[in-house]
Amino acid sequence: ETGVTQSPTHLIKTRGQQVTLRCSSQSGHNTVSWYQQALGQGPQFIFQYYREEENGRGNFPPRFSGLQFPNYSSELNVNALELDDSALYLCASSLEENTEAFFGQGTRLTVV
Amino acid sequence: DQQVKQNSPSLSVQEGRISILNCDYTNSMFDYFLWYKKYPAEGPTFLISISSIKDKNEDGRFTVFLNKSAKHLSLHIVPSQPGDSAVYFCAASAVGSGATNKLIFGTGTLLAVQP
Repeated sequence: ETGVTQSPTHLIKTRGQQVTLRCSSQSGHNTVSWYQQALGQGPQFIFQYYREEENGRGNFPPRFSGLQFPNYSSELNVNALELDDSALYLCASSLEENTEAFFGQGTRLTVV
Repeated sequence: DQQVKQNSPSLSVQEGRISILNCDYTNSMFDYFLWYKKYPAEGPTFLISISSIKDKNEDGRFTVFLNKSAKHLSLHIVPSQPGDSAVYFCAASAVGSGATNKLIFGTGTLLAVQP
């Protein structure tokens, strides 16, 4: 059984650019959530996808968007990058109705 | 508005002794609570959870206690081991939050277990 994997592990982008982060969910998991963890803070919920539909969103602007594919893998897209978007982006997958989310290792995004 | 609070940024404990990590929450709609451990350069790893219908859940060296009236939970690690040194996050979720598994995290407590 493979765990949650994210790519890339590190990324440097320039302010104003766009970025796509990718996540493969744990085998059998149909729900994917994305979190942003700024330095010294806990992870903050961005949004969740369940069976390819957005199923809840946190307090993030529309320039944060996502997709879930039929194989339950997911992408997080961020447009018009700002310096404050620099953070660790975590993907978590879970079974429907199971609240124990399993996290990937994260993508460290640096915006300069 | 920090709905889940971990007021101790760090904790240092001797190997073999008990580690107690604390967490407070403000939202009475929270009904499921989890603890995650995080090592540097890794994602959070699930440790233990508790539903609001219980006041205690135990798994090996880890025990979580929930006091609903005080809106407080704690994680006890006995005995503490050097490998337990990590950042510990408390997280909470609420049925009807609009998304299952939408977790609200605290800011974390760095536990250092001294040999």
